[in-house]
Amino acid sequence: GESVGLHLPTLSVQEGDNSIINCAYSNSASDYFIWYKQESGKGPQFIIDIRSNMDKRQGQRVTVLLNKTVKHLSLQIAATQPGDSAVYFCAETPSGNTGKLIFGQGTTLQVKP
Amino acid sequence: GAGVSQSPSNKVTEKGKDVELRCDPISGHTALYWYRQSLGQGLEFLIYFQGNSAPDKSGLPSDRFSAERTGGSVSTLTIQRTQQEDSAVYLCASKRERGGDGELFFGEGSRLTVL
Repeated sequence: GESVGLHLPTLSVQEGDNSIINCAYSNSASDYFIWYKQESGKGPQFIIDIRSNMDKRQGQRVTVLLNKTVKHLSLQIAATQPGDSAVYFCAETPSGNTGKLIFGQGTTLQVKP
Repeated sequence: GAGVSQSPSNKVTEKGKDVELRCDPISGHTALYWYRQSLGQGLEFLIYFQGNSAPDKSGLPSDRFSAERTGGSVSTLTIQRTQQEDSAVYLCASKRERGGDGELFFGEGSRLTVL
């Protein structure tokens, strides 16, 4: 079946370093992707999105890269801060623009002071 | 309020009982989603409402699960004859836009524990 998954369950980085969180997706027809951040005990929060007609999009301290050839999505966080510690999920909208959003399993980002 | 509101925040029930979880979406948002999140896991899609269209129920795990959305606003997720494997956090989200694009705004979730 369709799935969105992440390469690494846990990523530990030093404060100030850049973080890269990876995601593989299986549906080559998906046309919209989102990254969410979830802090302990809270609901997920939107970070950044990207449509399939783009390969890169930048936000404040975050960049999302999309490689449709290998069905790979990554989230780059510059100058990682302790407040970035959370679980990060990628999600995709399957083809047909139905609005249904499928989430991956998540990567835990731990920022060491 | 300004955000998605869910109630109860915590619910402990006995196996076999029915439970109802409520979601108040952000005013004006046309789309409403329910997801389930087991401990340490990702978000499992359950159901999606968009305006007056028929809901996408493809994620409901069994016929013990049902959801309705009254008046295009408040939604209730009902789990009948609860089982221990139903224990999870149930997250509701709403979105302004129709279709695939756009940010989902999530509530804090309802944590269900089935004893």
